[in-house]
Amino acid sequence: QVHLVQSGAEVKKPGASVKVSCKASGYTFSTYAMHWVRQAPGQRLEWMGWINTDNGNTKYSQKFQGRVTITRDTSASTAYMELSSLRSEDTAVYYCAREGAWLHFEYWGQGTLVTVSS
Amino acid sequence: DIQMTQSPSSLSASVGDRVTITCRASQSISSFLNWYQQKSGKAPKLLIYAASSLQSGVPSRFSGSGSGTDFTLTISSLQPEDFATYYCQQSYSNYTFGQGTKLEIK
Repeated sequence: QVHLVQSGAEVKKPGASVKVSCKASGYTFSTYAMHWVRQAPGQRLEWMGWINTDNGNTKYSQKFQGRVTITRDTSASTAYMELSSLRSEDTAVYYCAREGAWLHFEYWGQGTLVTVSS
Repeated sequence: DIQMTQSPSSLSASVGDRVTITCRASQSISSFLNWYQQKSGKAPKLLIYAASSLQSGVPSRFSGSGSGTDFTLTISSLQPEDFATYYCQQSYSNYTFGQGTKLEIK
């Protein structure tokens, strides 16, 4: 069965960067796109961007353009999301999610809490 | 960006009730509409994709309908495990989510 396992919680200072990993298992990694979604406390889900895990092409939400970088390591079946210039408003749970055939998010990681605090 | 608006934002209901949640898109999104259930502290779970297709393993009491700008999620007979927050999501142009509908026990 499909599993997406994310790295552990992070605490960062304003201005720093954070890199979250998402290790996939149970399927051929390069067959499906991977997305990143975040959820600030009490807020709605917010799409950040996605990566074509086959060729590495990416697309980012305009809101995060210039601050977010999504990469992948096909040999490790792992996707990464790096967010830079962190501010307190970036405190959130960050999720990876595997895309399905109808552009839905079929499987989700367990989430990674990133706390930005001085 | 396409805006997604759900109604109501919260809802109280009893076990056995029939419940309907509405989602409206700011422009036509054809049938590129998905529904998720999220329980406190957990990742979202896909329920319905392409407006009306039931995800494998999801109970048949969940159903979705609509196209264009107006969509509904219906739970035909509420079970105790259904009390959660529900989100719609459009995947027609990038991806945006509704603000959520919190379903609580009456």
